[in-house]
Order: sequence, then C-alpha cells, then structure tokens
Amino acid sequence: QVQLVQSGAEVKKPGASVKVSCKASGYTFTSYGISWVRQAPGQGLEWMGWISAYNGNTNYAQKVQGRVTMTTDTSTSTAYMELRSLRSDDTAVYYCARDQREYCRGGSCYSSGEFDYWGQGTLVTVSS
Amino acid sequence: QSALTQPASVSGSPGQSITISCTGTSSDVGSYNLVSWYQQHPGKAPKLMIYEGSERPSGVANRFSGSKSANTASLTISGLQAEDEADYYCCSYAHSSTSVVFGGGTKLTVL
Repeated sequence: QVQLVQSGAEVKKPGASVKVSCKASGYTFTSYGISWVRQAPGQGLEWMGWISAYNGNTNYAQKVQGRVTMTTDTSTSTAYMELRSLRSDDTAVYYCARDQREYCRGGSCYSSGEFDYWGQGTLVTVSS
Repeated sequence: QSALTQPASVSGSPGQSITISCTGTSSDVGSYNLVSWYQQHPGKAPKLMIYEGSERPSGVANRFSGSKSANTASLTISGLQAEDEADYYCCSYAHSSTSVVFGGGTKLTVL
C-alpha cells in the first residue's frame, strides 16, 4: 500500500532553517511528483511547490520562492523540503502529498493539484 | 486571502443534500478541468474526494459529486451522514502562475 511517512516535529528560532523529509513506499517513486502543502494553525491549505521525482524539476509558489528548496533522493525514495529564513508565520503543519498526475504543456510539466496520498504532517513551530 | 472563494460554512441535516461552491477565474477554475476537492477531519491529513472536476477516486462514496460551470466549481454531497462533518477545500491548477491554488475552506456541519 502507498505510504508517505514524514519526519518528526521541529521547533526552530526565527531566521533558522528547517528540512522536512517524506519517505515514500508502496509505489515506483520516480513515476509521480511530490507536492508540499502547509496549514497554519486554524487556517486553510496552502500549496508551496512541487518536484518531479523523475527528473528533479521544481515549481515553487511565489510566496515562498527564494526561501524554499525541494529535492528528492531516488535511492531512498525520499523527498525533502527545506525552508530558510524562518519567520513566525511559517509555523504550520507541513504535508507532503503525491501528485496522481502531472499537467504538461509546452514541454514543461507542473503539479495538477490532484493529491491522492498524503503524509501524516510535520508540525514546524517557529518561536524565539 | 485565498485565490479561490468558498463559503465559510454550510450545514444540513442527515439525509439532506448540500452544495459547496468554489469560485475562481478564467485563469484557474474556468480554464482547465483540473479542479479537485478535499475533505479534512480535525487533526487529520486531507483526503482526495473529487478530481478532474467530477471524477471520484476509488473508495469514495457516490454520494459525493462534482461539477463545474464557467469559473465556478461545485461539490454536492447527497444523503448527508454524520461522518461527512469536516472541512472541505477546492483546489485548481492556475495557468497564469503555473501553480496550484486552494480555496479558503468550508466547514460542513451536520445538524
């Protein structure tokens, strides 16, 4: 069965960085992209970006562009999301999610927004 | 402020039907058949309920259905059950930014 298992909760100080992992199992890792979605306490879902596990291509949301890096390690079927220069409003539960398909046009591919499997979530707290 | 607009809350009695709307623009909901809907219970990860506007993943009850007209997508739940009480989010690919956008979420209360 498909599973996405994320790393544990983190507490960070403002200005620091955090790296969250997402280990996939139960499917061919390189056949699907991975998106990262976060949810601040009591708030809605916010898409942060997407990485193709096939070729490592990425597409980031404008809001976090420049502070986020998404990578994959195909040898361990693990995706990573690193967020730098943390601020208090980065406090949230961070989810990885499998894109059940990509949307491709003009030779480039992107997340379709169709997330069929999700990790359990990782709480990242940013506090001085 | 979310890119897609949903009502903050809806409610219905067991057995009734409810519809949640999701209004976007011609650059997202109106452009592509890439609208999905998610159900989220408190403290849990979201669950995909509808994709491609109206398709149900295997295992999702046929009480859940989706549709789209112009720039507005809708999720209808018929035969409401107590376990349907949750937050629901719409989601769409956005052409102008080649990104994914969510609605602000709708809290469904089963009375």
